[in-house]
Amino acid sequence: AQSVTQPDIHITVSEGASLELRCNYSYGATPYLFWYVQSPGQGLQLLLKYFSGDTLVQGIKGFEAEFKRSQSSFNLRKPSVHWSDAAEYFCAVGDGNEKLTFGTGTRLTIIP
Amino acid sequence: NAGVMQNPRHLVRRRGQEARLRCSPMKGHSHVYWYRQLPEEGLKFMVYLQKENIIDESGMPKERFSAEFPKEGPSILRIQQVVRGDSAAYFCASSPRAGGGGQETQYFGPGTRLLVL
Repeated sequence: AQSVTQPDIHITVSEGASLELRCNYSYGATPYLFWYVQSPGQGLQLLLKYFSGDTLVQGIKGFEAEFKRSQSSFNLRKPSVHWSDAAEYFCAVGDGNEKLTFGTGTRLTIIP
Repeated sequence: NAGVMQNPRHLVRRRGQEARLRCSPMKGHSHVYWYRQLPEEGLKFMVYLQKENIIDESGMPKERFSAEFPKEGPSILRIQQVVRGDSAAYFCASSPRAGGGGQETQYFGPGTRLLVL
């Protein structure tokens, strides 16, 4: 069965600093990988997704993620965070059909 | 183009009552997914429906929970005889075609926060 691990429950970053959120997955075949962001009291918004091809994926809001098959990782990065990036971030793996399996999320706090 | 709509946004029920959660997918979307988010956890898949059909309910609890997506109207997630452990956020997502766990994107609604007293 597929699974996703987000080892960091909470991360605090200064505004303007770089960000990397970790995600490791377990899946037997080529994975479909997603990053979603959830603002307080809101639904989830898709930041980016990886299906195949270029392992560096560009998303919205200046985010990017890199798929590394050898490390079973799909880490999310942003070179310079903004206060509005404070939210909960979820990594998810798809089975290629209909089901998404989510990690437990990483809460991002931005300090001035 | 309106996004996925869910209502109510907040629902309070006493133990033993019924909870009905509604989800209107995005216009043109005929595939609906329900997820549950328990406190401090990620989202867990519950059920996947197409119009008038339940395709995958492998994540649904065996008792008290049911879902439907009729030909007309919203998708409904129904929880009978609620217990405190049902307190959670319930999210609905939709996609225009099959493959929401693959090449299709699932678009999420704002969720319904259910509190069972």
